[in-house]
Amino acid sequence: AQSVTQLGSHVSVSEGALVLLRCNYSSSVPPYLFWYVQYPNQGLQLLLKYTSAATLVKGINGFEAEFKKSETSFHLTKPSAHMSDAAEYFCAVSVPGGNTGKLIFGQGTTLQVKP
Amino acid sequence: DTAVSQTPKYLVTQMGNDKSIKCEQNLGHDTMYWYKQDSKKFLKIMFSYNNKELIINETVPNRFSPKSPDKAHLNLHINSLELGDSAVYFCASSPRARGRETDTQYFGPGTRLTVL
Repeated sequence: AQSVTQLGSHVSVSEGALVLLRCNYSSSVPPYLFWYVQYPNQGLQLLLKYTSAATLVKGINGFEAEFKKSETSFHLTKPSAHMSDAAEYFCAVSVPGGNTGKLIFGQGTTLQVKP
Repeated sequence: DTAVSQTPKYLVTQMGNDKSIKCEQNLGHDTMYWYKQDSKKFLKIMFSYNNKELIINETVPNRFSPKSPDKAHLNLHINSLELGDSAVYFCASSPRARGRETDTQYFGPGTRLTVL
């Protein structure tokens, strides 16, 4: 069965500092992986996704993530945090070949950006 | 134009009541979903429909019943509401019927349900 673990429920960085949000997955087959962001009182929107093409994936708003099979990780990074990046971030996995579109989410990481 | 819309945005009701949440997408997508986000922000899939056919039905109480009158709408009806049903419910849609496991899901703004 697939699962996702996000290390650190709360991450705080200073404006301009590196953002690193950690995601590890468990899957019996090479998974598809997603990062979604949820701004306060809004729905989720996709930041980026890995669907077995390039292992380094670039997304919106300067975010990127690297799929590392050996480490079963898909960590999200951004070189320089902006105040507007403060939000809840979710890593999710879907099952190849299942054709249901079922996403299994991690527990989320709250990103705080300090001025 | 809102891509995925939900009504109402807030719903406050008493235990034992029956309520519905409506969802509409104007993206022309084939698949729609309902998710529940609890007070700790954990998100879990509840249901998924493709062209009015149920394709995901997770372990949720049978007091919850999805209804899809057409592929642009997926409503959630909840009978005999309980305190534990308080949560934010999100509707989402994705483009395809096949290969949907790689598709981006587009989420609505959520409906915050409070059961008193």
